[in-house]
Amino acid sequence: EAGVTQSPTHLIKTRGQQVTLRCSPISGHTSVYWYQQALGLGLQFLLWYDEGEERNRGNFPPRFSGRQFPNYSSELNVNALELEDSALYLCASSRRSGGNTDTQYFGPGTRLTVL
Amino acid sequence: QKEVEQNSGPLSVPEGAIASLNCTYSDRGSQSFFWYRQYSGKSPELIMSIYSNGDKEDGRFTAQLNKASQYVSLLIRDSQPSDSATYLCAVNPDLNTGFQKLVFGTGTRLLVSP
Repeated sequence: EAGVTQSPTHLIKTRGQQVTLRCSPISGHTSVYWYQQALGLGLQFLLWYDEGEERNRGNFPPRFSGRQFPNYSSELNVNALELEDSALYLCASSRRSGGNTDTQYFGPGTRLTVL
Repeated sequence: QKEVEQNSGPLSVPEGAIASLNCTYSDRGSQSFFWYRQYSGKSPELIMSIYSNGDKEDGRFTAQLNKASQYVSLLIRDSQPSDSATYLCAVNPDLNTGFQKLVFGTGTRLLVSP
C-alpha cells in the first residue's frame, strides 16, 4: 500500500510570495491533515479536511488556506510568505471512523525556506 | 501550561537497555494517544497508539496509559542504536466533538550508544 505522498520535496521562496503544497492520501483515507514543524518547535496543527470540507483549523492566520479535491488529495496555500513560515510542512491522512481514534499517517513533508 | 509535555532530553541509554519515555497531557477528556518516532530531517512514523488505561505491547515497544494521572509512557526494550531518534507524544484532545487534530509534545531525543 502506497503511503502519503507530498510534493514538492523542497521549496525556496522570497518574502511576500505565494506557495502551494500538495498531498495525496493513502488509498481509502478520506481525511487529510496539515501540520507545520518549524525548526526547534513541535508540530503545530494547521488544517483538517474530510470529504472535501474544512473540518477544523489551527491557530494560524487566514493566509494559510487549502482545499481538498474529490479524489481526497489536498493543497495547502500560503500567501504573503513571511520569514517565520520557513518550516517542514507535513501532511497526514486517516480513515474517518467517526470517533476520536483515527490514526494519522504522515507523508515525507515539504521543506519550505523563505528568504 | 503546555497541552502535551515531554522532557526534551537527550535520554541516553546503552544498547540493550530499556528506554523509558514519558509524556503528560492537560486535557482530562483526551481519549486517544499516539507515539511517533521521527528521525532527523524525516517525517513522523507511527510507533504505537493506545486508547485504554493499562499497557499495550507491540514487539519491543510497550505503551502505558494512566488517564487518572494524565500520563502516557513508551518503553523500548532491548534498545538498539537504530532506535536513536526523537519520540513524539501526540494526543487527540477533542472529545465528543468529532474534531480531529493531534496535539504534539516537543519530543524526547533518545540516544542509544553501542
